Amino acid sequence: KNEVEQSPQNLTAQEGEFITINCSYSVGISALHWLQQHPGGGIVSLFMLSSGKKKHGRLIATINIQEKHSSLHITASHPRDSAVYICAVILNLWTLNYGGSQGNLIFGKGTKLSVKP
Amino acid sequence: NAGVTQTPKFQVLKTGQSMTLQCAQDMNHNSMYWYRQDPGMGLRLIYYSASEGTTDKGEVPNGYNVSRLNKREFSLRLESAAPSQTSVYFCASRGVINSNQPQHFGDGTRLSIL
Repeated sequence: KNEVEQSPQNLTAQEGEFITINCSYSVGISALHWLQQHPGGGIVSLFMLSSGKKKHGRLIATINIQEKHSSLHITASHPRDSAVYICAVILNLWTLNYGGSQGNLIFGKGTKLSVKP
Repeated sequence: NAGVTQTPKFQVLKTGQSMTLQCAQDMNHNSMYWYRQDPGMGLRLIYYSASEGTTDKGEVPNGYNVSRLNKREFSLRLESAAPSQTSVYFCASRGVINSNQPQHFGDGTRLSIL
């Protein structure tokens, strides 16, 4: 079962390019979480959003609840943006009560981004 | 601000050995989680604790046990390590389990079972 799908799996970009990573899900959610994992490092939270759009520096996250889709955009990409980006959905109570996954969150497999100088 | 602290960062075990991974958070969070991360699989939930005194199985609990020692600490034990348990293990915490609060992760433990 792939309740959270990310695309692409791997992405190589040149410095300065505009980057889009997509996340689609098939379950009822209350919010969606974008995370970043650097090579050999821990996982940090970038955004938590339940509607609309959020922006932090060069990062923009959008979500369309009706279409069950979210995107993470990086403007003016830089080699230091190279990382794995992970989408995670927080299940809503209805989904949890009717057979949803335990623990409340489901993670995508991640998108590995490499930005070349 | 320590956040979520995991120990050890690296460990090599022989098949059949036991060990405990430690996790502590200083954010007064109610819920805590243990995940494993394998290539191509993404993060998979092993066990979680919605609040102090409770623990529940996640997606891949076999071969593991957990203890929620107090509100701060949540440990993961491998009683008899197997090569299939070679993985990177992450501990995480969140304020309240059924909420839209972000999850905070530790730096991970790289565990190799020979």
